[in-house]
Amino acid sequence: DTGVSQDPRHKITKRGQNVTFRCDPISEHNRLYWYRQTLGQGPEFLTYFQNEAQLEKSRLLSDRFSAERPKGSFSTLEIQRTEQGDSAMYLCASSLIQLAGEDVTQYFGPGTRLLVL
Amino acid sequence: GDSVTQMEGPVTLSEEAFLTINCTYTATGYPSLFWYVQYPGEGLQLLLKATKADDKGSNKGFEATYRKETTSFHLEKGSVQVSDSAVYFCALSDRLGKNRDDKIIFGKGTRLHILP
Repeated sequence: DTGVSQDPRHKITKRGQNVTFRCDPISEHNRLYWYRQTLGQGPEFLTYFQNEAQLEKSRLLSDRFSAERPKGSFSTLEIQRTEQGDSAMYLCASSLIQLAGEDVTQYFGPGTRLLVL
Repeated sequence: GDSVTQMEGPVTLSEEAFLTINCTYTATGYPSLFWYVQYPGEGLQLLLKATKADDKGSNKGFEATYRKETTSFHLEKGSVQVSDSAVYFCALSDRLGKNRDDKIIFGKGTRLHILP
């Protein structure tokens, strides 16, 4: 088990460009979360999946953001028409949950640091 | 909505000093409480957690007790080391709440510097 991996680790883009990030969760983990962490702040929840179903989206997730988990394994987060305010660390986490309300631990990946110029 | 408030940093201590980082929370339900740590250049790691009132979470010499009456979860360590220098996040998850999800709500983080 290699843990949660994210790719790329760093991304520099120009304002207006589209970017896509990938997250590979721990094998067989059925829940996958995306968080965003801006400088000097704690991570903020963006969205989460149970298997391939996207169950909740934060109000932080504007229409320019879209996340998918097509086969219930890896996930992608796309940002269209990037803005300078999108500059942040994007974190992915995964967990294995079998019962609603079960006490589980989320395991975080190293993050993708995005800089929009 | 649910929220976490923790003491602002940076906190600078000498090696072997006693550490306390204060954390209080607001939640409509009965949340689980966590401390996460982020070492320089690394990802978030779970340091300890507590799931019900009066539970004490502990790991690597750090401790925190779930105090429902004061809605607090203060982090303590009796003797800090240089290697404890990191950013510490207090967090909660209301897994038994209305939505039955386990999304985590984090505080803003406290940067800790330990001087040799």
